[in-house]
Amino acid sequence: DADVTQTPRNRITKTGKRIMLECSQTKGHDRMYWYRQDPGLGLRLIYYSFDVKDINKGEISDGYSVSRQAQAKFSLSLESAIPNQTALYFCATSRASRGTGGKPPYNEQFFGPGTRLTVL
Amino acid sequence: LAKTTQPISMDSYEGQEVNITCSHNNIATNDYITWYQQFPSQGPRFIIQGYKTKVTNEVASLFIPADRKSSTLSLPRVSLSDTAVYYCLVGDTGGYNKLIFGAGTRLAVHP
Repeated sequence: DADVTQTPRNRITKTGKRIMLECSQTKGHDRMYWYRQDPGLGLRLIYYSFDVKDINKGEISDGYSVSRQAQAKFSLSLESAIPNQTALYFCATSRASRGTGGKPPYNEQFFGPGTRLTVL
Repeated sequence: LAKTTQPISMDSYEGQEVNITCSHNNIATNDYITWYQQFPSQGPRFIIQGYKTKVTNEVASLFIPADRKSSTLSLPRVSLSDTAVYYCLVGDTGGYNKLIFGAGTRLAVHP
């Protein structure tokens, strides 16, 4: 089974509808992230969470909200979807750790398979 | 946050070594350099990460000069399956590990 799962994988909706994208992980990681990717572009950070009680806005949080229901679950909501939110959405997770050997801490991010969202 | 600049696209042939260079002139003392690979319709996958000098793993090598203002990802003997987008990222650490993705380098490997 995949360590980071996203549901749904594909979704077509209409302008003005409320949409929720869900992410679950079995890696036991504290940190979770939501990104969106537009065609031909890199990923942009929407929201990130370092634990259940810690939620932070990323580069492009307007029009989105999130909920960290548990350590393993992080949901992204579009309260009133609009066409320019059509994109590929990725969830990611990482551990939290301390730096070692005089180096700062760094942790690899593990990405889910993505959700392709189309807003008509 | 340090910004990165890398070529938009590159072409290569099977069996060749590919080197992708990334510029990050404003890299900070606490920043790592990380490379991710992304296949179409999949999430990015971590390839390699370094702080300074050279790092090698089973997939790639990462060369970082002393001033750390650039880095080079080296893929030995590429195959068709290495066709992907490669992202160079300079991590905003401070314990927060936010990643800033640019547009990446689209590598096409030809037979």
